[in-house]
Amino acid sequence: GQSLEQPSEVTAVEGAIVQINCTYQTSGFYGLSWYQQHDGGAPTFLSYNALDGLEETGRFSSFLSRSDSYGYLLLQELQMKDSASYFCAVRDNFNKFYFGSGTKLNVKP
Amino acid sequence: ETGVTQTPRHLVMGMTNKKSLKCEQHLGHNAMYWYKQSAKKPLELMFVYSLEERVENNSVPSRFSPECPNSSHLFLHLHTLQPEDSALYLCASSQEASGFNYEQYFGPGTRLTVT
Repeated sequence: GQSLEQPSEVTAVEGAIVQINCTYQTSGFYGLSWYQQHDGGAPTFLSYNALDGLEETGRFSSFLSRSDSYGYLLLQELQMKDSASYFCAVRDNFNKFYFGSGTKLNVKP
Repeated sequence: ETGVTQTPRHLVMGMTNKKSLKCEQHLGHNAMYWYKQSAKKPLELMFVYSLEERVENNSVPSRFSPECPNSSHLFLHLHTLQPEDSALYLCASSQEASGFNYEQYFGPGTRLTVT
């Protein structure tokens, strides 16, 4: 079956750097995506990795290692507004998306 | 209206009721999805429609019935639900092109409570 593992909760202070890991086990792999969801809000797309390596988008970066079935989301210069849940998701060969349970990030002053 | 909209935002229904959730996307996408989000659990894919044809059922109970009359609208018809069906139901859309489709746009969701 398909499974994605990520930590349930992470706490960090404003201005710090935090890394949220995701390991996956899926049949068929097109790429790893990351989504952010604030309480009461809709998930919003952050990044996508299809190939190994680091993708940078402003304060957020995402990394993928296909050989290790592993990726992470790196958030730099944390701000209070970054407090949210972060989901990793894998797309398989059949246009189906599988999501992790989400990591709740608490940013403290 | 922009993006993906869903109505109603909140719904309380009894187990014998029939109701429908509506989703509309204004992005010109050709694929739409229904997800169920329960507390502490991954988003569960329920249905996928691509070019208005259902391509994935994902073993969802028959008390959930989707309908996609055109590429912009998606419905989820509900009947004789159970309390464990209480959850946030999210609609999403994406543009499928040559098999590459990795970004989904989500609606705000419908918070469903079954009493």
